[in-house]
Amino acid sequence: QVQLQESGPGLVKPSETLSLTCTVSGYSISSGYYWGWIRQPPGKGLEWIGTIYHSGSTYSNPSLKSRGTISVDTSKNQFSLKVTSVTAADTAVYYCARDVGIPATGYFDYWGQGTLVTVSS
Amino acid sequence: QSALTQPASVSGSPGQSITISCTGTSSDVGGYNYVSWYQQHPGKAPKLIIYDVSNRPSGVSNRFSGSKSGNTASLTISGLQAEDEADYYCTSYTSSSSVVFGGGTKLTVL
Repeated sequence: QVQLQESGPGLVKPSETLSLTCTVSGYSISSGYYWGWIRQPPGKGLEWIGTIYHSGSTYSNPSLKSRGTISVDTSKNQFSLKVTSVTAADTAVYYCARDVGIPATGYFDYWGQGTLVTVSS
Repeated sequence: QSALTQPASVSGSPGQSITISCTGTSSDVGGYNYVSWYQQHPGKAPKLIIYDVSNRPSGVSNRFSGSKSGNTASLTISGLQAEDEADYYCTSYTSSSSVVFGGGTKLTVL
């Protein structure tokens, strides 16, 4: 079955760059669908960060003001997220997920377990 | 982009039906039939329960149903069960080719 697993540092210093990778198993990213990142600050709601297609086409939440970048490495069956100039407001559980919508409509059918990233000095 | 508007909380007794609303604009909910709903239990990843306004993924109980009128989408849960107690989120595709979530609704089964 399809499985997604987030990985990356759990603690990032303010003003630095948050970097996460999502490794997909049970499905080849090159086969299709979109792949997205969603985050959830502690005790708060979900926020869509962005989505990428295997070709590299990306769609991002304008609220991140270009701080967020999503990339894909089909050879490793992974996609990644970078958020620059982080602040405490970027502290959240970060999820990666598969979007089966056409276009990328936010129909996330498989999710990773989520990884908590804390921004603190 | 602004989050879609959902009630902060709703409640109901076992066996009853409840409805959660999700209000957006003509640039998102009202403009497309690309509305989905998620159920999230504490400490767990969200689970897709409705897509395309009213379609259920395989394996999702038919007690969950969705609809839309104008700029407002709705999720109805019939025959409430204790296991339905969770947070529920709506999403919509937008005219900016982006996705927006609702603020979330906490469902309490009394």
